[in-house]
Parts: sequence; C-alpha cells; structure tokens
Amino acid sequence: GQQVMQIPQYQHVQEGEDFTTYCNSSTTLSNIQWYKQRPGGHPVFLIQLVKSGEVKKQKRLTFQFGEAKKNSSLHITATQTTDVGTYFCAGRKAAGNKLTFGGGTRVLVKP
Amino acid sequence: ETGVTQTPRHLVMGMTNKKSLKCEQHLGHNAMYWYKQSAKKPLELMFVYNFKEQTENNSVPSRFSPECPNSSHLFLHLHTLQPEDSALYLCASSQGTTGGEYFGPGTRLTVT
Repeated sequence: GQQVMQIPQYQHVQEGEDFTTYCNSSTTLSNIQWYKQRPGGHPVFLIQLVKSGEVKKQKRLTFQFGEAKKNSSLHITATQTTDVGTYFCAGRKAAGNKLTFGGGTRVLVKP
Repeated sequence: ETGVTQTPRHLVMGMTNKKSLKCEQHLGHNAMYWYKQSAKKPLELMFVYNFKEQTENNSVPSRFSPECPNSSHLFLHLHTLQPEDSALYLCASSQGTTGGEYFGPGTRLTVT
C-alpha cells in the first residue's frame, strides 16, 4: 500500500535558525497537504500543493512539491517558539482517494 | 476554532461498556472522517463518509460502528473495546474529498 515517510522524526532548533523537514511518498501523488499539531491540540490544515514543482509561502513557511510529485518539503525560516509542534504531511494518490499521513516531524525550539 | 466540535473530550470506559462519540461540523462540508491517533503511530484513517454515504472502511474492527445521519453529524459507536483501542479519536470534515481536512479537538479515550 501507499506509504508516506517524514524525516527527521524530531527536530531541535535554536530560536532564530532555519530548518527543513522532508516528506517522501512511495507512489506518485495527486496532491500533498501539510498540517500542524500543537502539543495537546489537533491537526490544523496549513496548505495543499497540487502542481509538479509548486512552491507556496505562508509568512516564514515555504512549502515545495517535487517535480516527480513524490516528495515535498517544508522550510521554516527564523524559527520562533510559536513554531513548536508536530508537522504532518499527507498525500493523496488520486483525486477523491483517502489521505495517507506521514509520521510527522516533532519540532522543539530552544530559546 | 469551533468549526468542528466533538463530545465528549475525554472518556474512560471498561471493556464491556457501550459508548458513543459525537462529531458535528458547522462548515457546510459534505465529507466527514474518523481518524485514530495513537502514540508513536501515524494518523490512521478509520472511516470516510461523503454525502452521508460511507465510502471508506479502512479494515476497522466491528467493535467500532460509525453512523452518519446527515452531512453535519457523525457518530462512532463503541462496544467491547480492548485496552489497545485507547487513543485520541479525531473527527474531520472537508468540502469534497480532495481538499484540506478540518479536524475537531478529538476525544481522548481510555479503555480499562
């Protein structure tokens, strides 16, 4: 079956530094989504990428969809303590298919 | 955020009990989902309903029984659960089955 892997599993970041988390699918995706879950909270939808090579920005967050539509990345610049949480990617093999979530990258920020 | 609400927020039940989880979405969406989130495991999709019709049952044991009376409400009926069923149960909704999913706060379930 379809698998979505995220690396790293944990990311310790010094406040103010940049970091990137990666998402890789075993199959070509129709689209990919990113979610953020704060400690004790629930996943919150951040963004969806659909086109090959697509890049989208949300303030300090930059999301990219690979050319082959099998991988994606999330880059955060100038990390803040509010960025703490687990970031999940989720991919869809085809329109209307179920989402398959990755295991998440848990981000801890050192002040 | 009150777009998707879930009750109860916490539930402790014995293995012989029967209980139900409730989810309500106020976003006008037509698709609703149940997910299970356990420690150290990815989010696991359980059921999908699209326009009240079940379109996905991800090999979920029959001790979990979903019900979707309309596009705004979703229930998960629980009976004779096992301790390994203890987890956070999340409800979500979306407009169609291709867009982003909006999650409720979840029900933290403990089976004793």
